[in-house]
Amino acid sequence: AQTIHQWPVAEIKAVGSPLSLGCTIKGKSSPNLYWYWQATGGTLQQLFYSITVGQVESVVQLNLSASRPKDDQFILSTEKLLLSHSGFYLCAWARGGNTGQLYFGEGSKLTVL
Amino acid sequence: GQQVQQSPASLVLQEGENAELQCNFSSTATRLQWFYQRPGGSLVSLLSNPSGTKHTGRLTSTTVTKERRGSLHISSSQITDSGTYLCAMNSGGSNAKLTFGKGTKLSVKS
Repeated sequence: AQTIHQWPVAEIKAVGSPLSLGCTIKGKSSPNLYWYWQATGGTLQQLFYSITVGQVESVVQLNLSASRPKDDQFILSTEKLLLSHSGFYLCAWARGGNTGQLYFGEGSKLTVL
Repeated sequence: GQQVQQSPASLVLQEGENAELQCNFSSTATRLQWFYQRPGGSLVSLLSNPSGTKHTGRLTSTTVTKERRGSLHISSSQITDSGTYLCAMNSGGSNAKLTFGKGTKLSVKS
């Protein structure tokens, strides 16, 4: 069975500090991977997607970057956090090509002060 | 851009009543996916179907792709069903982007 693990569960960070959120998928080779974000009270929206190692596409510009250093790992990061980065970050993977069902991790809650 | 409208925004039911949640989307979808969002924010995938009707337990999802609408029916609601239900449209393409609605907040009372 496939499992998806996100870390950390929650972070409280200062404006201007760096951030790294991680996601690991086990039990599925070459998954499509996605980062989603939800501001408090807002709607979930896709930030990045990756179809293969080393290749990441940006969907929404939020002064964040993403990388896929390994087949089963997806990293979201920034060197300088903004207040507007606060929210809930979800990693997801898809099976069955581009129209397949998405499976989400438990998420990481980020509070920027 | 693509839009997903969910209705009603909120719904209050007595335990045992049925719930009907609606989802309308603005462009052709390859699949509708329904989620339950826990208070902490994590998602529970409920049902996913490109078209037609799908059942699991007390949940029934119906998608009419050519009319750009879908629904989630919850039968015999329970207090533990309370929470936010999200509809998401997958329009295919290279990024398989899910466009989410704002959700329906369901409260089931005894």
